[in-house]
Amino acid sequence: AQRVTQPEKLLSVFKGAPVELKCNYSYSGSPELFWYVQYSRQRLQLLLRHISRESIKGFTADLNKGETSFHLKKPFAQEEDSAMYYCALSDSGNEKLTFGTGTRLTIIP
Amino acid sequence: DAGVTQSPTHLIKTRGQQVTLRCSPKSGHDTVSWYQQALGQGPQFIFQYYEEEERQRGNFPDRFSGHQFPNYSSELNVNALLLGDSALYLCASSSNLYEQYFGPGTRLTVT
Repeated sequence: AQRVTQPEKLLSVFKGAPVELKCNYSYSGSPELFWYVQYSRQRLQLLLRHISRESIKGFTADLNKGETSFHLKKPFAQEEDSAMYYCALSDSGNEKLTFGTGTRLTIIP
Repeated sequence: DAGVTQSPTHLIKTRGQQVTLRCSPKSGHDTVSWYQQALGQGPQFIFQYYEEEERQRGNFPDRFSGHQFPNYSSELNVNALLLGDSALYLCASSSNLYEQYFGPGTRLTVT
């Protein structure tokens, strides 16, 4: 069965410091991995997907198949990065998403 | 385009009752997925509709059913409500091979 684990429920980082949100997954095939973000009083939205290999709002995530991880990173945190972050996987881009429990990131000014 | 819309915003029901939640997809999208998000948890997949048929289903009992209309809008029905059905219900729409866009959700409280 597919599973996504986000070990940190809460993460606080000082503004300007590096950010890393951890995500590990278990899946028998070749999943597609995503990071979704939910800012305060906004709806859940896609931040990035591994297949596009983009950097969005300064965030990057590398799929490590050996460690089955898809950690989200940003070199310099900004106050507007404070939000709830969810890691998710699917069989393909349009199939069901399996989400982790989320990490609430707080950037300390 | 207002994006994905859901109604109602909030709903309070009594245990044993039935509820219907509604979703209108983003313009140009033909696929609708429903998720349940309990407090402190990530969204859990309920089912997905495409071409008015249930294409895929998650691990939810038959009390959860759905429908998709010719205009691609969708309904989620839950029968015989339990206290544990209290959650935020999210609808997401997509067009083949593209990302899923989420609605604001319907907060269901079962008392």
